[in-house]
Amino acid sequence: GAGVSQSPSNKVTEKGKDVELRCDPISGHTALYWYRQRLGQGLEFLIYFQGNSAPDKSGLPSDRFSAERTGESVSTLTIQRTQQEDSAVYLCASSRQGGEWDTQYFGPGTRLTVL
Amino acid sequence: DQQVKQNSPSLSVQEGRISILNCDYTNSMFDYFLWYKKYPAEGPTFLISISSIKDKNEDGRFTVFLNKSAKHLSLHIVPSQPGDSAVYFCAASTGANSKLTFGKGITLSVRP
Repeated sequence: GAGVSQSPSNKVTEKGKDVELRCDPISGHTALYWYRQRLGQGLEFLIYFQGNSAPDKSGLPSDRFSAERTGESVSTLTIQRTQQEDSAVYLCASSRQGGEWDTQYFGPGTRLTVL
Repeated sequence: DQQVKQNSPSLSVQEGRISILNCDYTNSMFDYFLWYKKYPAEGPTFLISISSIKDKNEDGRFTVFLNKSAKHLSLHIVPSQPGDSAVYFCAASTGANSKLTFGKGITLSVRP
């Protein structure tokens, strides 16, 4: 079956603009995660959705970042008034049930460049 | 404050030899540890994991060792193959939450 897909694969934007990144998880996976990887760094957790539970937003770096998920399908990560430090690869992952032992499957990422 | 540390940014080994990738952590609440492998322009793919109740887990050429007292884990690849050349990330989670905390990664190059 299809893996996690993300769009766009690359996004170049100007400082101050808003951007929307999309993630299509593996069908049937109830858990969805967003991470980002800045240059030379490891992946940083941003937000986690599990079924109908309230999302865990503890990793969002500022109130300019928000994410939504419709049911158990598509998620969008929105960054408002982008800053240069937002430049990173944004990775989405999904897992079957979201438990600690569940393997997280990652998409290819969206490379965001803020000029 | 980095809770998962991969202090060596790169490692180069000859094909057929052993690759040993190291990882240290500071958070004693971590109880599940994973290794992910990443090729350029692709997302990380899960490689192998270990829970804190074990000290070793083996899957084919890949073995992960966990030393809880030292807060250290290592990934052994034997024998190393050129296709193993990639960035390897160590990650950890706590029982309370499935979100992963990653190290910065180590670039492994396997020379033919």
